[in-house]
Amino acid sequence: DAGVTQSPTHLIKTRGQQVTLRCSPKSGHDTVSWYQQALGQGPQFIFQYYEEEERQRGNFPDRFSGHQFPNYSSELNVNALLLGDSALYLCASSLVGQGFSYGYTFGSGTRLTVV
Amino acid sequence: AQSVTQPDIHITVSEGASLELRCNYSYGATPYLFWYVQSPGQGLQLLLKYFSGDTLVQGIKGFEAEFKRSQSSFNLRKPSVHWSDAAEYFCAVGERTGGFKTIFGAGTRLFVKA
Repeated sequence: DAGVTQSPTHLIKTRGQQVTLRCSPKSGHDTVSWYQQALGQGPQFIFQYYEEEERQRGNFPDRFSGHQFPNYSSELNVNALLLGDSALYLCASSLVGQGFSYGYTFGSGTRLTVV
Repeated sequence: AQSVTQPDIHITVSEGASLELRCNYSYGATPYLFWYVQSPGQGLQLLLKYFSGDTLVQGIKGFEAEFKRSQSSFNLRKPSVHWSDAAEYFCAVGERTGGFKTIFGAGTRLFVKA
């Protein structure tokens, strides 16, 4: 049973560029959440997608956007990259009907470095 | 707004010694509480969770946590630490506002010495 798959694993971008990160949720899961984890910090909630719509959003600027596809996979897009966007981006999947019952299943993340 | 505080940035324990990692939360209602572990370069793995009922919850890898409402705490414990337990540990609280959002603490890095 495949867990959460994220791609790419590492990425280096230049300030001002745009980046797209991808996530395939665990089989059977329908909800995808994205987190940003800066070095030495806990994960910070970016947004959550369910039924192809953004359901909740954390305190992140509009430069951060996302999408969920009919197969439940998701993309995170970041425009006009800043040095401060350098972080580990984590995707977490869950089943909405279970609420918090089983917590999240996390991917291994995408390490984004902005230079 | 909900928040989670992990007072200890890092802790060092000897292999075989007991462990307690502290967590305090701020939440108006009965919280959903979690502990996750993150090994270097990896995602987070759920260790245990508390929703209601028995305030002492058992998790994977021999971990347990105790919910104390009066202290707004949810400390993680393990009676005997193994070298493989060295990792970053995150306490988290679940917030239900339309959807389900999990808010994480800053984490505690556990070092295990031989």
